[in-house]
Amino acid sequence: SYELTQPPSVSVSPGQTARITCSGDALPDQYVYWYHQKPGQAPAVIMYKDTERPSGIPERFSGSSSGTVATLTISEVQAEDEGDYYCQSPDSSGNYWVFGGGTKLTVL
Amino acid sequence: QMQLVQSGPEVRKPGTSVKVSCKASGFIFASSSVQWVRQARGQGLEWIGWIVAGSENTKYAQKFQGRVTITRDMSTSTAYMEVSGLKFEDTAVYYCAADANYPLDCWGQGTLVTVSS
Repeated sequence: SYELTQPPSVSVSPGQTARITCSGDALPDQYVYWYHQKPGQAPAVIMYKDTERPSGIPERFSGSSSGTVATLTISEVQAEDEGDYYCQSPDSSGNYWVFGGGTKLTVL
Repeated sequence: QMQLVQSGPEVRKPGTSVKVSCKASGFIFASSSVQWVRQARGQGLEWIGWIVAGSENTKYAQKFQGRVTITRDMSTSTAYMEVSGLKFEDTAVYYCAADANYPLDCWGQGTLVTVSS
């Protein structure tokens, strides 16, 4: 079955830039979606269709995708950015979706 | 205000079934798709399946094929997910999520399903 791979953890100091990657064989043909989940809360979409940012999401958040790797970049990281980040994308058929394993972002 | 309101926590014995509801408001349910996702305690998100509300077309992750059924009631803007043959490892928080203004920008509050003997 199709899989998306993320690093388990990323740590950065406040004000620095965090980059979270998501790799999958179908990414050249499928969009990636990114979610942020804080403890005890439902996930929230922060990026859709690789690079589109929903209203209300700070410009510090940006997305890119090249080949089989998509990247979520968080500039000027703040303490409130801590939490788990998940990528999601469909397989090559577009019918079956999968989440990456999640990346825990720690702000030092 | 767009929202999805899910049914309350459930406790079931192994081998039985559970049906979770997800009622939409504040957006056009008929134009959306609804995905179901679960999360075991301390674990990541796991995609279960989805339904396109307008066409009632459904797709399920291979792992859940034959054991999960997703339906919708257009008259009440409600989606349902039924899991049969429950196992201990099905204990998790189950979320529904829908496309309101953006893809999957509206999530339910989650429903804890506990499978216990």
